[in-house]
Amino acid sequence: DGGITQSPKYLFRKEGQNVTLSCEQNLNHDAMYWYRQDPGQGLRLIYYSQIVNDFQKGDIAEGYSVSREKKESFPLTVTSAQKNPTAFYLCASRTGSSGANVLTFGAGSRLTVL
Amino acid sequence: GESVGLHLPTLSVQEGDNSIINCAYSNSASDYFIWYKQESGKGPQFIIDIRSNMDKRQGQRVTVLLNKTVKHLSLQIAATQPGDSAVYFCAENYSGAGSYQLTFGKGTKLSVIP
Repeated sequence: DGGITQSPKYLFRKEGQNVTLSCEQNLNHDAMYWYRQDPGQGLRLIYYSQIVNDFQKGDIAEGYSVSREKKESFPLTVTSAQKNPTAFYLCASRTGSSGANVLTFGAGSRLTVL
Repeated sequence: GESVGLHLPTLSVQEGDNSIINCAYSNSASDYFIWYKQESGKGPQFIIDIRSNMDKRQGQRVTVLLNKTVKHLSLQIAATQPGDSAVYFCAENYSGAGSYQLTFGKGTKLSVIP
């Protein structure tokens, strides 16, 4: 089955630690995205990548970093500089074809800072 | 006091009745709109989309209406079922200058009463 796999599903972190969330897709999609979701909030864009080896900051990129070395993979690192990292993180992808605007989402990773 | 943003608008509907979920969007130049359904602890799932040159689109048990004059979008679910209980998000897309970004609303929680 084609889809997006996020891991881990749950992650606990101590303050001051960096953590990396994995996102892998086998949909052959060009573009990948990371969103953050807080309770009662919509999705906010952290970073996105439209092609391999290229990525752009979204609305709330501070304290986060990404890489796009392979088309299938778009890991997100939550650094110690992120002041309030506890949240639900969603990875998404879409084909780069024009007119194909629908994002496919993974199941999410819930990060809790202790 | 608590932030208003922590509390999602909630719609409670009797099983079998029709549901109408509303969304106001912000950018009059948005050219594409999408409704997503998010069940607890999962990633959003695509429901239905509509282009800005349309005012109505129907799917299976769902209808989306677009009123560009007042920048309003609605999702109608016919014969609501317990499995429809979820948070529903609208998203608007603006494709200007070759960019692609979805802006999500805060969501509405639909609770179906058996």
